[in-house]
Amino acid sequence: KAGVTQTPRYLIKTRGQQVTLSCSPISGHRSVSWYQQTPGQGLQFLFEYFSETQRNKGNFPGRFSGRQFSNSRSEMNVSTLELGDSALYLCASSLVLAHHYNEQFFGPGTRLTVL
Amino acid sequence: GENVEQHPSTLSVQEGDSAVIKCTYSDSASNYFPWYKQELGKRPQLIIDIRSNVGEKKDQRIAVTLNKTAKHFSLHITETQPEDSAVYFCAAQSSSGGSNYKLTFGKGTLLTVNP
Repeated sequence: KAGVTQTPRYLIKTRGQQVTLSCSPISGHRSVSWYQQTPGQGLQFLFEYFSETQRNKGNFPGRFSGRQFSNSRSEMNVSTLELGDSALYLCASSLVLAHHYNEQFFGPGTRLTVL
Repeated sequence: GENVEQHPSTLSVQEGDSAVIKCTYSDSASNYFPWYKQELGKRPQLIIDIRSNVGEKKDQRIAVTLNKTAKHFSLHITETQPEDSAVYFCAAQSSSGGSNYKLTFGKGTLLTVNP
């Protein structure tokens, strides 16, 4: 099976702009989670989508939003970019089964630089 | 919500020595504890996991222990090798009901194995 893919891999934006990142999960995986990774802060959870619905949300401002399509592909949008949004954005997909221990498979990430 | 603390943030060992990374969690209902390894410039990958009905699990040079009463779990790497050098993340999975699970990550431990 193909792994999780993310596009683009690198992005450079300026403050105030908006950006859209894309994630294609492993075929058959219905859950997609997004994380922000910065040095010293680890993997901070942004949100999780399952069957086109946001199920869980982390503590990020409303400038961060996402959606999931019927084919489980997910997009993440950040509006009004700030310098502090510079980070590696990782998505992870998992095969969700009731009462199952869900391994998450990560994509390679999108490196966002805000100037 | 769940909170995961990870220590130490950096760890340097000599090749052949053992390394131990410790994590504590807050939600007593958490039932799944994976460990991810992230090499420089790569995506996080699952290296071992443990479920709440098990106290210890071993896979070659890697072992994980879980103390549910104290709400802490640890990663043990024996006979370390330079290729073990990476950032290691612990995580705890908590449930919001049904098949709705969420992974909360620690902030990571940078392990350096010196030849």
